[in-house]
Amino acid sequence: AQTVTQSQPEMSVQEAETVTLSCTYDTSESNYYLFWYKQPPSRQMILVIRQEAYKQQNATENRFSVNFQKAAKSFSLKISDSQLGDTAMYFCAFSGEYGNKLVFGAGTILRVKS
Amino acid sequence: DAGVTQSPTHLIKTRGQQVTLRCSPKSGHDTVSWYQQALGQGPQFIFQYYEEEERQRGNFPDRFSGHQFPNYSSELNVNALLLGDSALYLCASSLARGAGETQYFGPGTRLLVL
Repeated sequence: AQTVTQSQPEMSVQEAETVTLSCTYDTSESNYYLFWYKQPPSRQMILVIRQEAYKQQNATENRFSVNFQKAAKSFSLKISDSQLGDTAMYFCAFSGEYGNKLVFGAGTILRVKS
Repeated sequence: DAGVTQSPTHLIKTRGQQVTLRCSPKSGHDTVSWYQQALGQGPQFIFQYYEEEERQRGNFPDRFSGHQFPNYSSELNVNALLLGDSALYLCASSLARGAGETQYFGPGTRLLVL
């Protein structure tokens, strides 16, 4: 069974600075998909970024980028120029090559301070 | 373009009762997944519906059942409610194009079992 581990329960960062959230996963599958979702205090889960394991190039979406290390089974999220609106719970999630159910980590609470 | 909608927003039930939660997928989506999110934890996959059939199921007891209608909307039913069923129930929709399709989440239904 796949597992996803987020080792940082809480993080804080000053506005305009950069922060990196960590995620590791375990799987025996060779092709899979990784996601970062954001859940603000209003609770609606929003997709931040998606990575396909067979693509070596790291995904990027504006201020959000990932560092995908397949051999190490690591998938960290970097947020540049942090904004107050980035304050949220961030979940790392895994989806295998069969079906598309998501396996989530426990989440990291990110607080952006002014 | 309407996103994923869920009803009701909040619900209070007592132990032993039965509850039905409803979900309408994002326009154009044909697959619906349900997740249970306990307070302070990551979502746990309950099951997924496609073409009115349960396609995948997580590690949840038979008290949890579902249904998908021809218009792709879905219901989650929980019988014989336990205190431990108190959680945020999230619905997510996607396209059935294959593995790794992005899932889009609704705002959730907060269920409290007393």
